[in-house]
Amino acid sequence: GQSLEQPSEVTAVEGAIVQINCTYQTSGFYGLSWYQQHDGGAPTFLSYNALDGLEETGRFSSFLSRSDSYGYLLLQELQMKDSASYFCAPDGQNFVFGPGTRLSVLP
Amino acid sequence: DAGVTQSPTHLIKTRGQQVTLRCSPISGHKSVSWYQQVLGQGPQFIFQYYEKEERGRGNFPDRFSARQFPNYSSELNVNALLLGDSALYLCASSLAGDSNQPQHFGDGTRLSIL
Repeated sequence: GQSLEQPSEVTAVEGAIVQINCTYQTSGFYGLSWYQQHDGGAPTFLSYNALDGLEETGRFSSFLSRSDSYGYLLLQELQMKDSASYFCAPDGQNFVFGPGTRLSVLP
Repeated sequence: DAGVTQSPTHLIKTRGQQVTLRCSPISGHKSVSWYQQVLGQGPQFIFQYYEKEERGRGNFPDRFSARQFPNYSSELNVNALLLGDSALYLCASSLAGDSNQPQHFGDGTRLSIL
């Protein structure tokens, strides 16, 4: 079967660093994607990890460990506009999204 | 270039009715996927179409059906609507049918069942 776990909520202050974890169990795994969704908006693609290790894209980085079925999204220099829900999505037989982590950035 | 467009943006139906939602992918994208998103949850995969053929189906009843047209646009049909079908329906397009392709989402159709 398939399972995905993310923390439901994370709170941090502006300028801080936050890590959003994702553990997954899925068949036919190829990689892990991350999406951001602001309230009332559509999900937008952030990153994709096909290989183990860290991928950096500006303030956002994403990490994957295939052997641990684990990944995380790292957000640095947090800004108010980063307040949103973040979803991990393992790339497997079908398109599956995690339950989402709601990030609140406080001033 | 236009992004993924969905119509209508909002829709109100009653139980037992049928609904058709429409999606136009980004120009050049051949894959379209449909998702249902209930408030506070992640998108739930319904269908993927690539080159007019069904590539994947999520855990939804047969009341849900879809198709893709030669111009790669797509329709999602839901029959015999239930109260539980109230949700945001998202369409996403990608260049190819591979699931490692970034998906580009439309703004969705908010469906309310009374």
